Amino acid sequence: GAVVSQHPSWVICKSGTSVKIECRSLDFQATTMFWYRQFPKQSLMLMATSNEGSKATYEQGVEKDKFLINHASLTLSTLTVTSAHPEDSSFYICSARGPRGGTSYEQYFGPGTRLTVT
Amino acid sequence: GENVEQHPSTLSVQEGDSAVIKCTYSDSASNYFPWYKQELGKRPQLIIDIRSNVGEKKDQRIAVTLNKTAKHFSLHITETQPEDSAVYFCAASLIQGGSEKLVFGKGTKLTVNP
Repeated sequence: GAVVSQHPSWVICKSGTSVKIECRSLDFQATTMFWYRQFPKQSLMLMATSNEGSKATYEQGVEKDKFLINHASLTLSTLTVTSAHPEDSSFYICSARGPRGGTSYEQYFGPGTRLTVT
Repeated sequence: GENVEQHPSTLSVQEGDSAVIKCTYSDSASNYFPWYKQELGKRPQLIIDIRSNVGEKKDQRIAVTLNKTAKHFSLHITETQPEDSAVYFCAASLIQGGSEKLVFGKGTKLTVNP
């Protein structure tokens, strides 16, 4: 149980274009999803918290107009990187949290999406 | 806000030895402390977690201890194996703006030498 998928696993796009990344919880309802960014050999940096049916909460320094997050259902959240630039190249990972086993703390991560902007 | 410090940044041990990774946190309200293992290019995987009402938790070769007074928690891996080689991240929960989230340490690269 607690399987989270992410699509695509990798994407290459040209500077100025937009890219959409999907995050799905496959076997549980995710009341909250999180989007992280991870640079090589670095830790996970939270970008935003997404609750189903409401607007995402962005971390300080993250441009909400550049990183559009939609959490339309209890199993799907999307991150759209708009007008991508080479500095947006990174590993983007989502995680999902939902009521399981009487707790709501555990976060389960997707496999990540490696974005390369040329 | 919460600040999580993790040490060491790299750790090399011989197969069969024990490995210990330590983390400290700053927010006394934190009450959930998970540990994640991440292999190169893969997703972080939850390996063990502990809540603030417990001082120690063990799962086979892995154990976590928590000292709430000192705001300190540690991961202990016994009888290490080469497949334990990975980057390990600790995290502490933070409630901010009505939302719960995790703050991660910078990670420890563990290498188990055969």
